[in-house]
Amino acid sequence: AQTVTQSQPEMSVQEAETVTLSCTYDTSESDYYLFWYKQPPSRQMILVIRQEAYKQQNATENRFSVNFQKAAKSFSLKISDSQLGDAAMYFCAYRTNSGYALNFGKGTSLLVTP
Amino acid sequence: KAGVTQTPRYLIKTRGQQVTLSCSPISGHRSVSWYQQTPGQGLQFLFEYFSETQRNKGNFPGRFSGRQFSNSRSEMNVSTLELGDSALYLCASSLEGGRNQPQHFGDGTRLSIL
Repeated sequence: AQTVTQSQPEMSVQEAETVTLSCTYDTSESDYYLFWYKQPPSRQMILVIRQEAYKQQNATENRFSVNFQKAAKSFSLKISDSQLGDAAMYFCAYRTNSGYALNFGKGTSLLVTP
Repeated sequence: KAGVTQTPRYLIKTRGQQVTLSCSPISGHRSVSWYQQTPGQGLQFLFEYFSETQRNKGNFPGRFSGRQFSNSRSEMNVSTLELGDSALYLCASSLEGGRNQPQHFGDGTRLSIL
């Protein structure tokens, strides 16, 4: 079975600080794609960042970056200079090269305090 | 460009009834996927359509069905509703459903079963 594990149900960070959300996954495939999605209370899932497994370089999108460790099957998200608008549920997901579905973790609820 | 539109936003039904949810993808997107989100099970893949054909199906009973029209709009139908079908149903679209293509989500339909 292909699974995604987010071991931190809740995280808290102060404004302007940095926080890292953890994600591990399990797949027997060598080629796949990894994603982090954000879901604010408005419910819409918003793509934060994505990573192709064949690329060694970690993806970066403004204040968001990932630490991709393929051998360890780890894909953590780092948020720098946290802002109040970053408060949301964050979901880690992956899609294999042989499937169309996104496989999601259970999510991490991020609270940002002033 | 308009995003993914899901209607209705909220729906209340009783056990045994059936329901149809609608999803209009981003203009030009031909792949539409459906997900069920519940507090207990998290986000689970229902099915994916491309050019009016179901390409992939998740592990849900036959009461859950869908279709896609020639304009890429998609509908999802759930028959003989059960209390456990209460969930947020999310629709996502992408250009062609390619593995590296991000899925863009709608705001979801909140279905409550009484």
